[in-house]
Amino acid sequence: DTGVSQDPRHKITKRGQNVTFRCDPISEHNRLYWYRQTLGQGPEFLTYFQNEAQLEKSRLLSDRFSAERPKGSFSTLEIQRTEQGDSAMYLCASSLAGTGGYEQYFGPGTRLTVT
Amino acid sequence: AQTVTQSQPEMSVQEAETVTLSCTYDTSESDYYLFWYKQPPSRQMILVIRQEAYKQQNATENRFSVNFQKAAKSFSLKISDSQLGDAAMYFCAYRGSRNEKLTFGTGTRLTIIP
Repeated sequence: DTGVSQDPRHKITKRGQNVTFRCDPISEHNRLYWYRQTLGQGPEFLTYFQNEAQLEKSRLLSDRFSAERPKGSFSTLEIQRTEQGDSAMYLCASSLAGTGGYEQYFGPGTRLTVT
Repeated sequence: AQTVTQSQPEMSVQEAETVTLSCTYDTSESDYYLFWYKQPPSRQMILVIRQEAYKQQNATENRFSVNFQKAAKSFSLKISDSQLGDAAMYFCAYRGSRNEKLTFGTGTRLTIIP
């Protein structure tokens, strides 16, 4: 297993276009998380899934954002009608649910630039 | 809401020396977890060390150790025998025991001077 993967690694789009990112978690992990990281800031939580169920969404996740995790495997994050403020690194993480301080494993991220 | 504060945007240390990165947090919860993550340039974030709030003993992982002061809500990271590969952004993060999301600080950029 090679860890969490994300595709694409970089995306440049024009304002108003729709974009979709994909995240493939570590195969046995049942929890998947999306975070957004802007320049000079730490990651901010967007949403998370347990299996295919989306259990929590941040207020940061406006109605232009939608995330899915069909069949509890990979996940997609779609941003509709992109705005310049959406430019950021979008990070995906996965974990195996359990007790205690279990680790979230992060992917390399997708860097979105909206022009 | 929980907040995490890292007051040192940048730190530097001579190779082989020791450096301490500071982190404070605010929470009303009694049970939670604290983490230090490392994000090397253009590479993915990896966990350095974690601390359970109910444990009084400070966590240690090889050259990395923490000073956890629960009453003061302080969680600093000490890196001993600094190596060039330690150069990275370091993020302190909090997770409540009944919560899934990590709340991160703004990070400290650590430079290692050869």
